[in-house]
Amino acid sequence: SYVLTQPPSVSVAPGETATITCGGLNIASKSVHWYQKRPGQAPVLVIYYDTDRLSGIPERFSGSNSGDTATLTINRVEVGDEADYFCQVWDSRTDQVFGGGTKLTVL
Amino acid sequence: EVQLVESGGGLVQPGGSLTLSCAASGFDFANFWMTWVRQAPGKGLEWVANIKHDGSGRYYVDSVKGRFTVSRDNAKSSLYLHLNSLRADDTAVYYCARTMAGPYYSDYWGQGTLVTVSS
Repeated sequence: SYVLTQPPSVSVAPGETATITCGGLNIASKSVHWYQKRPGQAPVLVIYYDTDRLSGIPERFSGSNSGDTATLTINRVEVGDEADYFCQVWDSRTDQVFGGGTKLTVL
Repeated sequence: EVQLVESGGGLVQPGGSLTLSCAASGFDFANFWMTWVRQAPGKGLEWVANIKHDGSGRYYVDSVKGRFTVSRDNAKSSLYLHLNSLRADDTAVYYCARTMAGPYYSDYWGQGTLVTVSS
């Protein structure tokens, strides 16, 4: 089965840049999507097709995908960005797969 | 405005059954794949099942194959998940989501319904 690996946690100060990685074998050959999940709330799609932002998502959120690593970058981090972030791909053998999630803490 | 509203969750004993529903509005339900995703307490998101726009294809994560069945009624703009032979590790919040076929990302989600499997 296809496995996506994310760091359990990332911490940044307000105004800094947060980088959340998603590792997978030759992940660059797949489309990667990113979701923001706050406790008690529904997941929100923030990035799809590696780099596209859903309408309403701030330009501070961006994505990239190369080699074995996809990356979600959040510039000028705000307290309101604190949440869990999950990457997701589709694989022909395992259908939709989520990474384990990364807890973003804004110090 | 796209809205997805889940219902049907609750407390059920191990081995029991439950049916979850998801009422959709604000879009042409019959033209979209739909997805169930769950999140167990303190855990990450787990894809559970997909169903094609016309119900002709249904796909499941291995851990629920043979126990869960996804279905839809396009005339009622409703999605269902029938849960049988429930186990403690099925305890989770279950979300329905609208999914774009091809890239398979989910752009709209419901607020979720909690299923607790316990004696």
